[in-house]
Amino acid sequence: DTAVSQTPKYLVTQMGNDKSIKCEQNLGHDTMYWYKQDSKKFLKIMFSYNNKELIINETVPNRFSPKSPDKAHLNLHINSLELGDSAVYFCASSRNYRANYGYTFGSGTRLTVV
Amino acid sequence: QKEVEQNSGPLSVPEGAIASLNCTYSDRGSQSFFWYRQYSGKSPELIMSIYSNGDKEDGRFTAQLNKASQYVSLLIRDSQPSDSATYLCAALGSNYGGSQGNLIFGKGTKLSVKP
Repeated sequence: DTAVSQTPKYLVTQMGNDKSIKCEQNLGHDTMYWYKQDSKKFLKIMFSYNNKELIINETVPNRFSPKSPDKAHLNLHINSLELGDSAVYFCASSRNYRANYGYTFGSGTRLTVV
Repeated sequence: QKEVEQNSGPLSVPEGAIASLNCTYSDRGSQSFFWYRQYSGKSPELIMSIYSNGDKEDGRFTAQLNKASQYVSLLIRDSQPSDSATYLCAALGSNYGGSQGNLIFGKGTKLSVKP
């Protein structure tokens, strides 16, 4: 039973399109995150939600909009995709916003913008 | 901007040797530290956490923390080819650093264990 699941696993799309990535966790965690991993493997936080409330919003273009319908789900919608958006996007969750026990990551979504 | 620094490697060790991975962090308020292993094309997997100064051992892995020096390390004893992966060091951001609950990752060290 997958703890943190993301769909789709791969996404290839053209510049200018709009796409969504979905994430669900069945761990009963309160807090969920989106991270972006670039081609150099650097993992950088984008957003964090605690019990459906946005708590971290790093410097991310407005084209990226997260949505959390409930604490088990955190989706990421991206408008007007650009070449530079190509990366692997990881969803993660933690027991609470303090994250003292670290995160559990989903399997990632490899986004390629052509 | 709070940072975690790691030597990107690659670090190459022979099978059976000890692999030593290091990182430093800039947020003096950080109290929790983690090592993640990431195989190529896979997601990061938590292998060790450490919260107090000193050593913490778990099987072939030993994490070491020195808060005064803001230094974290991971030793892998009896390295196996299956340990070949990128190892990510992460520090949990603090209120002091303005990033509570935010795991700040280093860029990772690529380890290669040669048979």
